[in-house]
Amino acid sequence: AQKITQTQPGMFVQEKEAVTLDCTYDTSDPSYGLFWYKQPSSGEMIFLIYQGSYDQQNATEGRYSLNFQKARKSANLVISASQLGDSAMYFCAMRVIQGAQKLVFGQGTRLTINP
Amino acid sequence: DTGVSQDPRHKITKRGQNVTFRCDPISEHNRLYWYRQTLGQGPEFLTYFQNEAQLEKSRLLSDRFSAERPKGSFSTLEIQRTEQGDSAMYLCASSLGVTGSGSEAFFGQGTRLTVV
Repeated sequence: AQKITQTQPGMFVQEKEAVTLDCTYDTSDPSYGLFWYKQPSSGEMIFLIYQGSYDQQNATEGRYSLNFQKARKSANLVISASQLGDSAMYFCAMRVIQGAQKLVFGQGTRLTINP
Repeated sequence: DTGVSQDPRHKITKRGQNVTFRCDPISEHNRLYWYRQTLGQGPEFLTYFQNEAQLEKSRLLSDRFSAERPKGSFSTLEIQRTEQGDSAMYLCASSLGVTGSGSEAFFGQGTRLTVV
């Protein structure tokens, strides 16, 4: 079975600072994908970044980068130059590249950016 | 097409009543998923459609829950004889079904169900 663990229930960061949100995962499948989603108070899950298990380089999307350490089974999200609008819940998720390709989510981290 | 649409956004119902939610996915997406999210938790998978076929159901989906996707377009999720434990956000997502970075699941804004 697949499992995602996010050990930080809440994070508080000053505006313009960088922040790292932790994510570890567990799977016995060799092929999988890792995702980060942002969920503002409106409820919609917004896709941020994706990392495939066979990707050689860490994924980057604008201010978001994924620190993928396969041997340690970690996929931390790094947000550079944080903004007030980054305040939200952040979820790490894993998808096994077979069958339904459903997402398995962690419990999330609530990020608060202080002015 | 502006994204995945869910209706209603909020639903308050009395225990024992039936409720039905609708999801309109992104038009070219062949895969459709339903997830349930309770307060303080991440979303949990409920069921999955590829086109009109329901191919996987979670054990979370009790006999009181049924989902359909006629003609492979919109989908409905019905809960019969609602219980207070059904109170949650119900999220719908769709994807193109091709693995890799281009096939991330796009989510709707969810339907928040409150059973009183």
